[in-house]
Amino acid sequence: GAGVSQSPSNKVTEKGKDVELRCDPISGHTALYWYRQRLGQGLEFLIYFQGNSAPDKSGLPSDRFSAERTGESVSTLTIQRTQQEDSAVYLCASSPAPGLGYGYTFGSGTRLTVV
Amino acid sequence: QQPVQSPQAVILREGEDAVINCSSSKALYSVHWYRQKHGEAPVFLMILLKGGEQKGHDKISASFNEKKQQSSLYLTASQLSYSGTYFCGTEHAGNMLTFGGGTRLMVKP
Repeated sequence: GAGVSQSPSNKVTEKGKDVELRCDPISGHTALYWYRQRLGQGLEFLIYFQGNSAPDKSGLPSDRFSAERTGESVSTLTIQRTQQEDSAVYLCASSPAPGLGYGYTFGSGTRLTVV
Repeated sequence: QQPVQSPQAVILREGEDAVINCSSSKALYSVHWYRQKHGEAPVFLMILLKGGEQKGHDKISASFNEKKQQSSLYLTASQLSYSGTYFCGTEHAGNMLTFGGGTRLMVKP
């Protein structure tokens, strides 16, 4: 596609439920990133996929968070047993390749509200 | 470790200039700059690779001092459209970006 697509754009869930967020990167972009942005805050790194390499999961805040990526395409971020502090905008970004001077293209994000 | 941005916020009149700074405690491979408007996704502005280069387009430019592990974003003759939050992202050894806390810029008529 022309840009990074994320779905759903908004998600309201009850505390304790699981949620799944989806990201479709730009075709041909080997690198895919998930970030979290709380209201009025900066971007917090969660996880990074590069090609077929093992993902960098160093930013995942707890074992309730997990993510998968199918080859070099779609990625899903799953949050189990959601808590109120999980409320945030979850941003996905992709780039052609890391370390070669390319910027990231961000999706519009999924606004998650845990009630 | 998260880079430090300064100032945290700045208010300008149209036509005025501004400088936003980004400092890291770790050696940098590259620095990215992004602008985010309220309710929208961050948009890539430019990237500076190690080597101390300076880049720019239109009236927005940036410099990268590798030795000091700092980058600065220069906005000259600011326009209303420059309003938003500016983030620097630092890259270490070709991995993911770590973003600063952001600088909120408001340009008034």
